[in-house]
Amino acid sequence: DVKVTQSSRYLVKRTGEKVFLECVQDMDHENMFWYRQDPGLGLRLIYFSYDVKMKEKGDIPEGYSVSREKKERFSLILESASTNQTSMYLCASSLNWVRGGELFFGEGSRLTVL
Amino acid sequence: DQQVKQNSPSLSVQEGRISILNCDYTNSMFDYFLWYKKYPAEGPTFLISISSIKDKNEDGRFTVFLNKSAKHLSLHIVPSQPGDSAVYFCAASERRTYKYIFGTGTRLKVLA
Repeated sequence: DVKVTQSSRYLVKRTGEKVFLECVQDMDHENMFWYRQDPGLGLRLIYFSYDVKMKEKGDIPEGYSVSREKKERFSLILESASTNQTSMYLCASSLNWVRGGELFFGEGSRLTVL
Repeated sequence: DQQVKQNSPSLSVQEGRISILNCDYTNSMFDYFLWYKKYPAEGPTFLISISSIKDKNEDGRFTVFLNKSAKHLSLHIVPSQPGDSAVYFCAASERRTYKYIFGTGTRLKVLA
């Protein structure tokens, strides 16, 4: 079974703090993604990566950065957290589109910024 | 500009009856469509997918129908069970771009 593990299920941070959200997958997937989920807005793509050290902006990248130094790990960074970044953050991975396509999600990280 | 739309925020169905969840899209380049189910405080789990070369895909109680001319897909759940109560998201992808676009979700409640 594919496993996508997010390091923290619940975090509480203060405005201005730097926040790291870590994600690890164990199935050698090429692609990794970070989404946020907000009520009434569904899942919105923040960043994705289709290879080590490669990254592409999604629909809402402002205020976020990412790092992919190893194939299995994809980190989301909030350089200076703000209250409007309070959300559920979801990491996902997938094979490349030639070999498959479904996304496998982690359990999510609920971030509250005070 | 919402490329994938789920116009019904919620749906209630009696146990044993059919649940039909709908999804519309605008981008004719989408070639792969997926449905996910999400319980509170958990990540979405994959249910079923369909490629644009097909118009139907079935897996047990779940069937997805794709109408390319109408840019519409639907998920049928028969028979509905209380454990199906969750939020359902449809997603669409132009696979070579690696991007998946999700709808806003439909909350299904199956009444016992």
